[in-house]
Amino acid sequence: SAVISQKPSRDICQRGTSLTIQCQVDSQVTMMFWYRQQPGQSLTLIATANQGSEATYESGFVIDKFPISRPNLTFSTLTVSNMSPEDSSIYLCSVRQGSRSNEKLFFGSGTQLSVL
Amino acid sequence: QQQVKQSPQSLIVQKGGIPIINCAYENTAFDYFPWYQQFPGKGPALLIAIRPDVSEKKEGRFTISFNKSAKQFSLHIMDSQPGDSATYFCAASGGIGANNLFFGTGTRLTVIP
Repeated sequence: SAVISQKPSRDICQRGTSLTIQCQVDSQVTMMFWYRQQPGQSLTLIATANQGSEATYESGFVIDKFPISRPNLTFSTLTVSNMSPEDSSIYLCSVRQGSRSNEKLFFGSGTQLSVL
Repeated sequence: QQQVKQSPQSLIVQKGGIPIINCAYENTAFDYFPWYQQFPGKGPALLIAIRPDVSEKKEGRFTISFNKSAKQFSLHIMDSQPGDSATYFCAASGGIGANNLFFGTGTRLTVIP
């Protein structure tokens, strides 16, 4: 299974600032995914990041708020911009491995963000 | 709109009991149904997954039951242990070009020694 490292593991930020979350995978993957898990709630896909192209954002998420970089096949960053307390969540990086009939989605440990 | 509905929200069982968590979906294009286990401070970890060509899948103490006609699937944990205490999420994905995995709202399981 893929080993996914996320940094930072947690942060407390001031309103109006930005935070960049890093995700490193121990193997090359085509697609990386960024999810948000709001307190006590389920996971919601923010965007899909492909190497060499623009990230694809899900409904309700925009590039200006959550810019994503994908410079190579093992690394991605998600920036939470101009933060407000509503952005307090766990942000999770994930990758998919395996064939269509046996694919698996693996998650990093997440970044717990608190915005004051 | 919640694509995958999960119940119950929380569950408490005695050690050795068999907790059952249920999920339902509407989108008939879904063809992949995983379950994830999440401990506090950790990311979700894939536990077991099923595709609609089978009605049941077992891996160790974990069993998925799948009812395609009812569009429901459930997780059973046999001989549950205190170490199984965690939040469990069901999920579903599928369809042309599907990248998105839709998660249920989660079930917080507590296994009492």
